[in-house]
Amino acid sequence: GENVEQHPSTLSVQEGDSAVIKCTYSDSASNYFPWYKQELGKGPQLIIDIRSNVGEKKDQRIAVTLNKTAKHFSLHITETQPEDSAVYFCAASKDNNDMRFGAGTRLTVKP
Amino acid sequence: DAGITQSPRHKVTETGTPVTLRCHQTENHRYMYWYRQDPGHGLRLIHYSYGVKDTDKGEVSDGYSVSRSKTEDFLLTLESATSSQTSVYFCAISGTGGRTEAFFGQGTRLTVV
Repeated sequence: GENVEQHPSTLSVQEGDSAVIKCTYSDSASNYFPWYKQELGKGPQLIIDIRSNVGEKKDQRIAVTLNKTAKHFSLHITETQPEDSAVYFCAASKDNNDMRFGAGTRLTVKP
Repeated sequence: DAGITQSPRHKVTETGTPVTLRCHQTENHRYMYWYRQDPGHGLRLIHYSYGVKDTDKGEVSDGYSVSRSKTEDFLLTLESATSSQTSVYFCAISGTGGRTEAFFGQGTRLTVV
């Protein structure tokens, strides 16, 4: 089955700096790549997603890039703010119900 | 927030006892999922449902069973709880399976002692 690896496991940045989280996947048939943000005591919530027919997608301060050849995708957060502090998960699926998640990245934005 | 309610939110149970967790949705979504979340492992799929009475196994299904008798309810049962099943359990729903956004519940923290 699909295997998703996520790095780094923890990331600390200064407010205003950029943060980058990277994921790799194993199944070349995967075609949907969402990113979820999980705040303390809550369930994960989708922040951005990308499909395999697109190389990059941006939503305000958040962007995701996808390299299908290398089978990796990344989350970029610019101008980080303290409220961006959370655990972020990447995931991959291929038009079925078996969405596999990375192990998560704990992002801390220091004021 | 998507209309997903998990119950109970917290539970402590003894090894060997059966436990049932409930997920209730008001969105009429076809797909429902149970995940467990453990440090260092992210979210791992236990079971999912693609319709009433239609369920399938995920990657960590051993020791768990599920039932879905109504569109809005998806039950997860630990047949005989073990300490390795101590975890946070999340229910999720989706309108179109693994092709679009999944909405997660608030989670159930289960401790098996």
